[in-house]
Formats: sequence, structure tokens, C-alpha cells
Amino acid sequence: AQTVTQSQPEMSVQEAETVTLSCTYDTSESDYYLFWYKQPPSRQMILVIRQEAYKQQNATENRFSVNFQKAAKSFSLKISDSQLGDAAMYFCASTTSGTYKYIFGTGTRLKVLA
Amino acid sequence: SQTIHQWPATLVQPVGSPLSLECTVEGTSNPNLYWYRQAAGRGLQLLFYSVGIGQISSEVPQNLSASRPQDRQFILSSKKLLLSDSGFYLCAWSEEGESTDTQYFGPGTRLTVL
Repeated sequence: AQTVTQSQPEMSVQEAETVTLSCTYDTSESDYYLFWYKQPPSRQMILVIRQEAYKQQNATENRFSVNFQKAAKSFSLKISDSQLGDAAMYFCASTTSGTYKYIFGTGTRLKVLA
Repeated sequence: SQTIHQWPATLVQPVGSPLSLECTVEGTSNPNLYWYRQAAGRGLQLLFYSVGIGQISSEVPQNLSASRPQDRQFILSSKKLLLSDSGFYLCAWSEEGESTDTQYFGPGTRLTVL
């Protein structure tokens, strides 16, 4: 069965600094996809970044990038130049081709300090 | 562009009462539709998904049910609410046909059962 683990319930970062959120996953499938979602206080889930497992290159979206370590089954999110608006819950998720089912981690609450 | 709506935004219901939550998507045809529940401090749990009108797959057997009466309408229902049904309910959609496509979430409904 697929599992997604986020071992950091809460993280803090100083404004303009860089922070890395950790995520590990477990799957026996070869065709899978990984995601990071942001849930601000409004609670609407917003896609941050997506990574296809077959791609070796790490995905990037502006200040957000991932470190995808396939052998270690690790998928961390790096936020550069942190902004106050980055404060939110961040969820790591995975899905496998053909299942329509996303598995979510328990989330990491990110606080950004001014 | 595509938009997703959910209503009501908040709901307080007594134990044993019925429930109907509605989700509609605009700007796309035959989307895949999903219902999730998020308990306090937890990740998202997939409840139901649908790949077409009248087609519903259940992930968690419980006193909830889902229906898809129209292409872009997804309804979550219960005949008798339990205290354990309290939570934040999120609807999501993804593009037709692809099980691993990115899911886009609605604003959610906060349900409190008293």
C-alpha cells in the first residue's frame, strides 16, 4: 500500500530565508506522481508543485523547488526567499497511475517570522 | 478558465439529521470529481470519486453516499449524521480520463455535527 510520511509537524523560517520541508513515501509501483499542496488559513488547497517519478530532473516553480531522491523515496520541498504569504499547512501527496487515489501526508505547518 | 464551487461554506447540524453538500465545476467537460474529508490536524482522506455521470467509487464505507446527477455536479449526502462526521469536506476535480492528473480543490465546507 502507498504511504506518505511528513515527520515535521511544524517548522519556522525567518522572512527571506530558505526552508526545506521533508516528505518520504513508499510505493511498490513504478508509475507514480508526487505533489506538494499548500493550505493557507482559508483552507483551500493550492497546488505548489508536481513531480513525475519517471523524470530525473527536479521540478521547480519560481521560489519553490523539490529534491526528488527516488532511491531513498524522499521528496522534500525547498522554499527560497520565504515570504509572509508562505505561512500555511503544506501537504505532500502521491498517486499511482490508474488508481485516481491521492494519498496525503499529515502536513507540516510553516510559520514565517517577520 | 475552470472554477470549482462548494456550498454551503459552513454547516451546523444535529446528530441524526440528513446532509447534502454540493460541488459544481465550471469551464471543463466530463471532469473526474472527488470528495475528501479532513479531520482536525489530519491529512485528507478520499471518500468518493467519479469518472463520469452516475459512476461513483467509494473508498471508505460509512454512512455517507455520493451522487453525480450531472456532468459537473457532485453531491455528498447522508441520511443520518453522526458526531464523527464532523470535519472539513473538500471537493476536487481533475481532467477527464487521466487518473494521475493534478487535482484542483474547492473552498471546502466546514461541517459541525452537534
